[in-house]
Amino acid sequence: AQTVTQSQPEMSVQEAETVTLSCTYDTSESDYYLFWYKQPPSRQMILVIRQEAYKQQNATENRFSVNFQKAAKSFSLKISDSQLGDAAMYFCAYRSHQGGSEKLVFGKGTKLTVNP
Amino acid sequence: EPEVTQTPSHQVTQMGQEVILRCVPISNHLYFYWYRQILGQKVEFLVSFYNNEISEKSEIFDDQFSVERPDGSNFTLKIRSTKLEDSAMYFCASSEDSWDIQYFGAGTRLSVL
Repeated sequence: AQTVTQSQPEMSVQEAETVTLSCTYDTSESDYYLFWYKQPPSRQMILVIRQEAYKQQNATENRFSVNFQKAAKSFSLKISDSQLGDAAMYFCAYRSHQGGSEKLVFGKGTKLTVNP
Repeated sequence: EPEVTQTPSHQVTQMGQEVILRCVPISNHLYFYWYRQILGQKVEFLVSFYNNEISEKSEIFDDQFSVERPDGSNFTLKIRSTKLEDSAMYFCASSEDSWDIQYFGAGTRLSVL
């Protein structure tokens, strides 16, 4: 079974600085998706960024980028020029692209605080 | 922007009672999901639903749970006889296709007393 581990329960960053959130996963599959979701307090989880495992190029979305290391099974999220609105819980998630499974497997989350 | 909406935001119930958690998925989406998060633990998959039937379920989704799409807009999760350990945040999600991004609601916090 696949597992996702986020080893940092909490992180903090100064506004305008850069922060990296860590995620590792375990799978025997070769074809899968990885996601970072953001959950602001009392709001729904929204997708920040998605990476297809077959793509070697790291995904980027504006100030958000990932460092995808397939051999190491590592998928970290870098937030550049942090803003107060980035404060949230961040979840790393895995989804298989084989066998028809649609479920997301989540890590425990990292709470990000942005200090003004 | 279309959203997944969940009601109520907080549900308090007595142990042994039945509860129904409601979700309105995004209107053109065909795949629906329920996840839960017990306080301090991971978000866990419960069930996926497509074409009026369950397509996948986890070990957690036992006989006390059921899902239904009673009309063209709602997607519900019923817990027949709640237990203390059912206390959790329950998230509904929907996607346009099975491989597509899942969009989440804000969740329903269920407290079983």
